[in-house]
Amino acid sequence: EPEVTQTPSHQVTQMGQEVILRCVPISNHLYFYWYRQILGQKVEFLVSFYNNEISEKSEIFDDQFSVERPDGSNFTLKIRSTKLEDSAMYFCASSRTPGGETQYFGPGTRLLVL
Amino acid sequence: GENVEQHPSTLSVQEGDSAVIKCTYSDSASNYFPWYKQELGKGPQLIIDIRSNVGEKKDQRIAVTLNKTAKHFSLHITETQPEDSAVYFCAASRRNTPLVFGKGTRLSVIA
Repeated sequence: EPEVTQTPSHQVTQMGQEVILRCVPISNHLYFYWYRQILGQKVEFLVSFYNNEISEKSEIFDDQFSVERPDGSNFTLKIRSTKLEDSAMYFCASSRTPGGETQYFGPGTRLLVL
Repeated sequence: GENVEQHPSTLSVQEGDSAVIKCTYSDSASNYFPWYKQELGKGPQLIIDIRSNVGEKKDQRIAVTLNKTAKHFSLHITETQPEDSAVYFCAASRRNTPLVFGKGTRLSVIA
């Protein structure tokens, strides 16, 4: 069964450093998402991406964040200058169509900013 | 925007009993309501979903009901087993909008 994969599974970084989180969505999906889950809290939407551009973003997704689909398979989330409060699980998801269609989540990357 | 409330935050049941988790939503235009199960250290896994054109959907021991008038939907798990222990999230969305999640319910099934 196709699945979303994410690397790395864990990332530890110093405050102010840049991190890149990587995702490989399901191959025939066209819509890609990043979500964040701070420990013990609910899953929060960050950004959605379609046709090589951002379709929607939340207030959390400020100028420190960017997304990219550098090739036909990878989808990345970059945090330019990490802050302590960026520590969270980051989940990538993909779907065939937007909103109202099943989104499949990857296993997540646990980011710890020290 | 959409707001999803989920109750209870924790739920303990004896093995074999039923578990019910309830969610309410605020946006009457929402038309898609998935439920995800999240095990420790893993990503959310879709277990069942329902669209606004139906009132109930069942898949083996799991069922979801939707009341559009009251804007609430519920997850029902029957004959619970220890492996059902996890955090369950409800979510809601409408066309071309991202999922909005509830805060989650930690279900513990006691053997």
